[in-house]
Amino acid sequence: EAGVTQFPSHSVIEKGQTVTLRCDPISGHDNLYWYRRVMGKEIKFLLHFVKESKQDESGMPNNRFLAERTGGTYSTLKVQPAELEDSGVYFCASSQGRGVNTEAFFGQGTRLTVV
Amino acid sequence: LAKTTQPISMDSYEGQEVNITCSHNNIATNDYITWYQQFPSQGPRFIIQGYKTKVTNEVASLFIPADRKSSTLSLPRVSLSDTAVYYCLVGVPYSGAGSYQLTFGKGTKLSVIP
Repeated sequence: EAGVTQFPSHSVIEKGQTVTLRCDPISGHDNLYWYRRVMGKEIKFLLHFVKESKQDESGMPNNRFLAERTGGTYSTLKVQPAELEDSGVYFCASSQGRGVNTEAFFGQGTRLTVV
Repeated sequence: LAKTTQPISMDSYEGQEVNITCSHNNIATNDYITWYQQFPSQGPRFIIQGYKTKVTNEVASLFIPADRKSSTLSLPRVSLSDTAVYYCLVGVPYSGAGSYQLTFGKGTKLSVIP
């Protein structure tokens, strides 16, 4: 079974440009999450989808970030316009089920570098 | 959310047993303790979860004392491939309703030496 897949693995863009990150969760997982780690900081929650609905987007840093999950399958995270402080690694995770030992399966991350 | 405190880093020789202790003095009654492992250039990976006493799986053991203010992740006979960052997380398992987010701390960087 394929795991969580993220694309691209690394993106380098100039300040002011737009970048779209994509996440393909594990098939059948209703829950999809975005996290990120900026340089030297801890991994921080961005938002949580349940199917196509945004369950919690309290971690989104500002309105330059837009996440979508049309059809409840893959998700995109768009940063427009990108700023230098957006550089970091963006992780996507998915999960299915609930309760004890519910695992969140993480992708390998997309490294975003804004120059 | 309960705050966790872990060692910043640890070194161990191959074949040794490694114990990483996490302090969580403010753990709440409904909180579980979960450990994730992260290899370089990869996302975190679930290792083990427990509530109290001892939990063991094919990867690790988790020891939780009666007061639950700390927990110890035990990795038996580590190999070079166990070099990674290990995160201790405290919180309520996802119930399927409402929001669910994992709160990562700084983690413990384990380096296994030949």
